[in-house]
Amino acid sequence: EDQVTQSPEALRLQEGESSSLNCSYTVSGLRGLFWYRQDPGKGPEFLFTLYSAGEEKEKERLKATLTKKESFLHITAPKPEDSATYLCAVAPFGNEKLTFGTGTRLTIIP
Amino acid sequence: GAVVSQHPSRVICKSGTSVKIECRSLDFQATTMFWYRQFPKKSLMLMATSNEGSKATYEQGVEKDKFLINHASLTLSTLTVTSAHPEDSSFYICSARDPRGGENSPLHFGNGTRLTVT
Repeated sequence: EDQVTQSPEALRLQEGESSSLNCSYTVSGLRGLFWYRQDPGKGPEFLFTLYSAGEEKEKERLKATLTKKESFLHITAPKPEDSATYLCAVAPFGNEKLTFGTGTRLTIIP
Repeated sequence: GAVVSQHPSRVICKSGTSVKIECRSLDFQATTMFWYRQFPKKSLMLMATSNEGSKATYEQGVEKDKFLINHASLTLSTLTVTSAHPEDSSFYICSARDPRGGENSPLHFGNGTRLTVT
């Protein structure tokens, strides 16, 4: 059974204080690992897809990396508007279904 | 802009009544849509896969008679919560994949529907 574990559950940072969020996964053949951002009362918003170990992707202050067992979402010099819950999900080959983690609730303090 | 539209965003209903939630793909046709449910501080749980022109596929433990899914067109799927009870109160979110992006195109989500059953 595919599993996704995210840590920490919650993270409070001062504005400008860089950090990383972790997503550990087990999957029967990784088709893709996905990062989403979710604001309160909203649906998840797509950020990145990573397909193979060693791959990296960047978007503004966010950079996602992937190994064979985990993915990191690095946030550099965050701003208050980066506050949200960040979700990680995996999809196996031959299956459209995503398995989600419980997310990391990130709060950036001005 | 949004590629998946969901309506309503919030609904309050009385116990025993039925509620219909609509999910539309904008600018693309989706033969498959996915319905998720999310509890506070929990991960998104897939309820069912909606298939255009055929029956939905339900995940284990999801009552198909309680959660009726209809995928009547290539841009619209509906989820009806029948005879709702307070334990059905939750955040329901639909999603779809734009096929023009190929098999690795990401899932795009609607903004969810907060259902409260009193």
